[in-house]
Amino acid sequence: GAVVSQHPSRVICKSGTSVKIECRSLDFQATTMFWYRQFPKQSLMLMATSNEGSKATYEQGVEKDKFLINHASLTLSTLTVTSAHPEDSSFYICSARVDPASYEQYFGPGTRLTVT
Amino acid sequence: AQRVTQPEKLLSVFKGAPVELKCNYSYSGSPELFWYVQYSRQRLQLLLRHISRESIKGFTADLNKGETSFHLKKPFAQEEDSAMYYCALSGGTSYGKLTFGQGTILTVHP
Repeated sequence: GAVVSQHPSRVICKSGTSVKIECRSLDFQATTMFWYRQFPKQSLMLMATSNEGSKATYEQGVEKDKFLINHASLTLSTLTVTSAHPEDSSFYICSARVDPASYEQYFGPGTRLTVT
Repeated sequence: AQRVTQPEKLLSVFKGAPVELKCNYSYSGSPELFWYVQYSRQRLQLLLRHISRESIKGFTADLNKGETSFHLKKPFAQEEDSAMYYCALSGGTSYGKLTFGQGTILTVHP
């Protein structure tokens, strides 16, 4: 099946610094990837839709200047949390659509971000 | 606007008992509906989708457009079914983004 990887799996950074999270589709090309945020034992909140070669589409309430998304190739999307603060600490998950004819998404394992 | 509601945050049953996880949705068109499962310390994975009309791990879900529901059912729960279950909807807009319900934590006791 389709495999989505994320790197790093865990990251700790100091307040005020930026951190980049990578999302890769390993055995398929993904024209569309999605970035979610998940709080403990809560649902996934869609942050943005990332499309290869174009600007990301952000959900209402998500700061595009704080959460920079780049989808440079058909197998890689990156999320950069700029000037991170402790409230940005969370579990970030990416997903990718495999089949343009289906809305099924495959999910990465997630990245635990801790801002100290 | 599309919305998914899972009314039960927690659901506990004993092994061998039937289980039903409720999901109701709000969408004006014809949605595509999914159930995703997240086992402890694992990634979210697709359990089933309504257009496939298949049974995975003994689970089934029927789309009821009249009641706007997509409840997940299994006649005999197993301990390994303990996990977080998410109902999700795609309305076919915005590159197929998914709207997730709040999730239901299912615990199957021995």
